[in-house]
Amino acid sequence: SDELTQPPSVSVSPGQTARITCSGPALATQYVYWYQQKPGRAPLLVIFKDTERPSGIPERVSGSSSGTTVTLTISGVQAEDEADYYCQSSDSRGLSVEFGGGTKLTVL
Amino acid sequence: EVQLVQSGAQVKKPGESLTISCQVSGYDFLTYWIGWVRQMPGKGLQWMGLIYPGDSNSRSHPSFQGQVTISADKSNKTAYLRWSSLKASDTAIYYCVRRLIRLDGFDIWGQGTMVTVSS
Repeated sequence: SDELTQPPSVSVSPGQTARITCSGPALATQYVYWYQQKPGRAPLLVIFKDTERPSGIPERVSGSSSGTTVTLTISGVQAEDEADYYCQSSDSRGLSVEFGGGTKLTVL
Repeated sequence: EVQLVQSGAQVKKPGESLTISCQVSGYDFLTYWIGWVRQMPGKGLQWMGLIYPGDSNSRSHPSFQGQVTISADKSNKTAYLRWSSLKASDTAIYYCVRRLIRLDGFDIWGQGTMVTVSS
């Protein structure tokens, strides 16, 4: 299976570091992409190709990869970071696209 | 400015047909794959499929093959998602997305179209 697994929720206090993981066998060979979705809004690409930030995304948002697990890290978390975060990748053959189940980031 | 502008919300009955649209502006429509992502109420994102308007080549997730039709019209720079017979389980928000060049991520998203199917 090329499913991507994320924790359902992560909670951090303002100013702390939030880490959201995404795991799946295809991640050993395929890039991962991360999206932020706030209520009632379309998703926003925040990381592409495992570690790269689109223009306009702050430096405190970063991505890392190790084997079949990738991590989205948000440093100095702010209230505005509260959102659902989804990882996305391709299947192992590169023919289909899969999203993780999503992680709700709560800023306490 | 690159934009994907989707058609408005729809309320339909089971068994009816429906086509929703996504008109692009601000970039060359023919050189980027464009596709659709479903989000059922309170749920996560599901990739449905993509089309390359330049040659109409397409890819779709196995779960959606035969359930919907994805097409593109070069003359008006618009992508379409069509159902021939809606089901209540098609109730969802549908986003059109632009695929990054040579990568499987999506850098531009439409605002979403809410489709409600109810008798």
